[in-house]
Amino acid sequence: GESVGLHLPTLSVQEGDNSIINCAYSNSASDYFIWYKQESGKGPQFIIDIRSNMDKRQGQRVTVLLNKTVKHLSLQIAATQPGDSAVYFCAENSGNQGGKLIFGQGTELSVKP
Amino acid sequence: KAGVTQTPRYLIKTRGQQVTLSCSPISGHRSVSWYQQTPGQGLQFLFEYFSETQRNKGNFPGRFSGRQFSNSRSEMNVSTLELGDSALYLCASSLVTGRPSTDTQYFGPGTRLTVL
Repeated sequence: GESVGLHLPTLSVQEGDNSIINCAYSNSASDYFIWYKQESGKGPQFIIDIRSNMDKRQGQRVTVLLNKTVKHLSLQIAATQPGDSAVYFCAENSGNQGGKLIFGQGTELSVKP
Repeated sequence: KAGVTQTPRYLIKTRGQQVTLSCSPISGHRSVSWYQQTPGQGLQFLFEYFSETQRNKGNFPGRFSGRQFSNSRSEMNVSTLELGDSALYLCASSLVTGRPSTDTQYFGPGTRLTVL
């Protein structure tokens, strides 16, 4: 089915290091992008979003970068903590499809203490 | 504010049966979307409801249906269950701001359906 691709299925980092999770999206008409975090047994949790008229947005310890030229999205997590261990999904929404989100396959982030 | 709630959390059914899942959105949210999550296919969009009307539909067979009530609560139904319908079914709600593509969706914990 439709999907947004991820470059790395798993990522292992040391506690305190910075993490970068990448995502390639497919639809150049997409105008809204979201990163979700999903812990085992839970639903996806909103982390940060970005609209297509921006190329960078910062939150608490997280930054999302958007490169529309190459249709690439990344999530940077600063000072990664064990509680950040989870699966991270990028999702895109194109303006002509209402509330339909297209999700990437997910990257599992493992943080070693 | 309470988050999105889904009931039941776990279900076990046998092939051929039907099932109904329920979702209560965040208070004030009027749009409800449903997704299916499986290890093989990931998260896939099923449908979206707003003002008791289906606003968007994914690529799933007609066995999958849904509805929304006047209080924005939503249900989805799967008839004639197949083994491949075993999945985590997630519901997400969002405010309706006039630009549906940029309305943030907040997810519930999901209903784990197992079909035997």
